[in-house]
Amino acid sequence: AQSVTQLDSQVPVFEEAPVELRCNYSSSVSVYLFWYVQYPNQGLQLLLKYLSGSTLVKGINGFEAEFNKSQTSFHLRKPSVHISDTAEYFCAVKRRDSSYKLIFGSGTRLLVRP
Amino acid sequence: NAGVTQTPKFQVLKTGQSMTLQCAQDMNHNSMYWYRQDPGMGLRLIYYSASEGTTDKGEVPNGYNVSRLNKREFSLRLESAAPSQTSVYFCASSERGRREVAGANVLTFGAGSRLTVL
Repeated sequence: AQSVTQLDSQVPVFEEAPVELRCNYSSSVSVYLFWYVQYPNQGLQLLLKYLSGSTLVKGINGFEAEFNKSQTSFHLRKPSVHISDTAEYFCAVKRRDSSYKLIFGSGTRLLVRP
Repeated sequence: NAGVTQTPKFQVLKTGQSMTLQCAQDMNHNSMYWYRQDPGMGLRLIYYSASEGTTDKGEVPNGYNVSRLNKREFSLRLESAAPSQTSVYFCASSERGRREVAGANVLTFGAGSRLTVL
């Protein structure tokens, strides 16, 4: 079975500072990895995804994530955050087979302060 | 383009009452999903429908039933609501997720339905 761990439930950061949101996964088979963002009172939107190839993946709004197979991690980073980045961020994993199941982490709330 | 539409947005039920959450998508997606979101637990899959005419259990199916009415619509029914089912429910859809086209499993979510069971 797959599992996703987001150790930080909340990350406060000042505007224009860099941020890293951590994600570690566990799986006995190869997986695809995703980051979704949820703005207040909205559904989730895809931020970026890792399918194969380059381990550094760029997404929308200046976010990027790096897949590290040896550490089973997929941390999300942004060099300079804005107030509008305040949201909840979810890491997710899916098996590379016919399963349709996307397993989500518990989420990290990014709080950007002026 | 409406995307994924869920109704109702808010609902309060008493224990034992029944209700149906409705979901419709207009993107011609083959697969549809129901998730629940609880604080500190992320999203958990309740049921999914890989294609019209099929449904399968997810991580937390107990207490729920689903119907894939047609390609556009996927409803979630609570037959006898319990306080443990107080949650925010999200419907999502995706294109057919073939093994070699993982990108097709990108989910488009609705805005959510907040359910309170007293």
